[in-house]
Amino acid sequence: DVKVTQSSRYLVKRTGEKVFLECVQDMDHENMFWYRQDPGLGLRLIYFSYDVKMKEKGDIPEGYSVSREKKERFSLILESASTNQTSMYLCASIGRVYGYTFGSGTRLTVV
Amino acid sequence: ELKVEQNPLFLSMQEGKNYTIYCNYSTTSDRLYWYRQDPGKSLESLFVLLSNGAVKQEGRLMASLDTKARLSTLHITAAVHDLSATYFCAVDSLLTGNQFYFGTGTSLTVIP
Repeated sequence: DVKVTQSSRYLVKRTGEKVFLECVQDMDHENMFWYRQDPGLGLRLIYFSYDVKMKEKGDIPEGYSVSREKKERFSLILESASTNQTSMYLCASIGRVYGYTFGSGTRLTVV
Repeated sequence: ELKVEQNPLFLSMQEGKNYTIYCNYSTTSDRLYWYRQDPGKSLESLFVLLSNGAVKQEGRLMASLDTKARLSTLHITAAVHDLSATYFCAVDSLLTGNQFYFGTGTSLTVIP
């Protein structure tokens, strides 16, 4: 089974802090994704990466950046956290046959 | 713009009853995926439908795909409380590579 591991289940950060959300997958997938999920808004794509050092903006990239230095790791960075970035963050890795496999999610609260 | 629409958005049903959730999509795609999400948790893969006419069943859930109608259904048979969750369908567009497009989700509550 593909495993996608997100480093933290819950995080509380202060406004203005730089925040790193880490995601690691173990199936050698090229494509990885970061979503945020908010009540009533569904899943919204922030960034995705289709190869090492490659990245593409999703639907809501503002206020975020990403890093893909190694194939198995895809990091989401909040350069200066704000309260409107309080959300559930979901990382996913994709295989063509089985679709997305999601990590367990990180619930981030910015105070 | 690619759209994936689910209905109903909210579903409250009694234990033992049957119901169907519908997923319509606007793009050319022959692959459709169903996910389940429990409150506060991540999404868990339920079904992968890879061709027109595909039908998959797991316990009280059965999913089907009609690519010509661009429609997938998730049928619930004799609902039990443990099925209470939010269900998402997703398609990957042949036109946009590997990006998935998710439906809005159907929040199912099974009442004893």
